[in-house]
Amino acid sequence: DIQMTQSPSTLSASVGDRVTITCRASQSISNWLAWYQQKPGKAPKLLIYKASSLESGVPSRFSGSGSGTEFTLTISSLQPDDFATYYCQQYHNWYTFGQGTKLEIK
Amino acid sequence: EVQLVQSGAEVKKPGESLKISCKGSGYGFTTYWIGWVRQMPGKGLEWMGIIYPRDSDTRYSPSFQGQVTISADKSMSAAYLQWSSLKASDTAMYYCAGLANYGGKIDYWGQGTLVTVSS
Repeated sequence: DIQMTQSPSTLSASVGDRVTITCRASQSISNWLAWYQQKPGKAPKLLIYKASSLESGVPSRFSGSGSGTEFTLTISSLQPDDFATYYCQQYHNWYTFGQGTKLEIK
Repeated sequence: EVQLVQSGAEVKKPGESLKISCKGSGYGFTTYWIGWVRQMPGKGLEWMGIIYPRDSDTRYSPSFQGQVTISADKSMSAAYLQWSSLKASDTAMYYCAGLANYGGKIDYWGQGTLVTVSS
């Protein structure tokens, strides 16, 4: 099984900050990685797929990078609507989610 | 517009059976894979399994194999997640997810079905 490890588990930041979330795979997944945003009581929402492709309709302040085993999600300038929990997911070999990163207001 | 609409919240007792549904609209239902994702209270997302409604090809994550049954009814444009004997530990939000390709990203999500199992 491929394990996905996100860091940090919790991130405190302010509006306007640039933030980065990291996701590491236990083995190479090429670029078969997606990032999702989830708000309380809501279904997750796709942000990024194939590690760096921005889903249609997602603001350009979100970006993804990486390949192999290490990936990052960057939000260039935090907006109030961005405070949520973020999950990475590999789809190279079956499907596995990271444990999530909660982005909180500082 | 593609939509996955799930059945409503359920409150059950341990040992009872349950079948929840995910109904697709706005696209050819048999052209998308439907997956199921569990989210226990305050926890992260867990992939349970997936089905291709066109031929009912079904695959399970090892930790869910034998614990649940995933099925589909093409005529109803619906996929299902079923338990024969619920446990308190099955209390969770369950999401269905639509994938255009097996081994691809999740393209669409249902709104979730909250299952509460309590005596």
